[in-house]
Amino acid sequence: ILNVEQSPQSLHVQEGDSTNFTCSFPSSNFYALHWYRWETAKSPEALFVMTLNGDEKKKGRISATLNTKEGYSYLYIKGSQPEDSATYLCASNNNNDMRFGAGTRLTVKP
Amino acid sequence: GAVVSQHPSRVICKSGTSVKIECRSLDFQATTMFWYRQFPKQSLMLMATSNEGSKATYEQGVEKDKFLINHASLTLSTLTVTSAHPEDSSFYICSALRGISYEQYFGPGTRLTVT
Repeated sequence: ILNVEQSPQSLHVQEGDSTNFTCSFPSSNFYALHWYRWETAKSPEALFVMTLNGDEKKKGRISATLNTKEGYSYLYIKGSQPEDSATYLCASNNNNDMRFGAGTRLTVKP
Repeated sequence: GAVVSQHPSRVICKSGTSVKIECRSLDFQATTMFWYRQFPKQSLMLMATSNEGSKATYEQGVEKDKFLINHASLTLSTLTVTSAHPEDSSFYICSALRGISYEQYFGPGTRLTVT
């Protein structure tokens, strides 16, 4: 049974703070790790797809790292802005079976 | 913390049959639930918004007679894929809106394979 966990469940930061959160996933039969940015009642926006151990991806102020051996990925946001407020969702593809975490809800206060 | 479950986690069915997927909020009441579909190599696509006790609101391009959604209680929404075809094979994921705090929680997803 696959189990993808994200922590923390929610996070409140001040504008300008840098922050990060974690996605842990099964390391066996690993294919890919996906990060999404999601706002209520919208389709989640794909941020990154990572496949190789040690992968690092960056998109503007957001970056992510991947450790497939120990089964975790970090998502970093540098200099958080109010518009970064959203739920960040990760999903792990293991042996072509995709499982989603419950998300980390980020609130950035002006 | 809040938990949303989906059942089954994976299902294989024959073309022409119907499949029901359940989405449950285990420890909170969900006034609204959302259903998404994951297309290969693409992002999640919102299919419909399901409000308890009323008809679901479908996104453009999603056939409501094909994907039947029922939200009969504050803890359960179901998605029925009717007369399934191989092109319906996909990952289906739900999320639930917590009525009091308006927080959103995702289920783990259901993989449907139609042969």
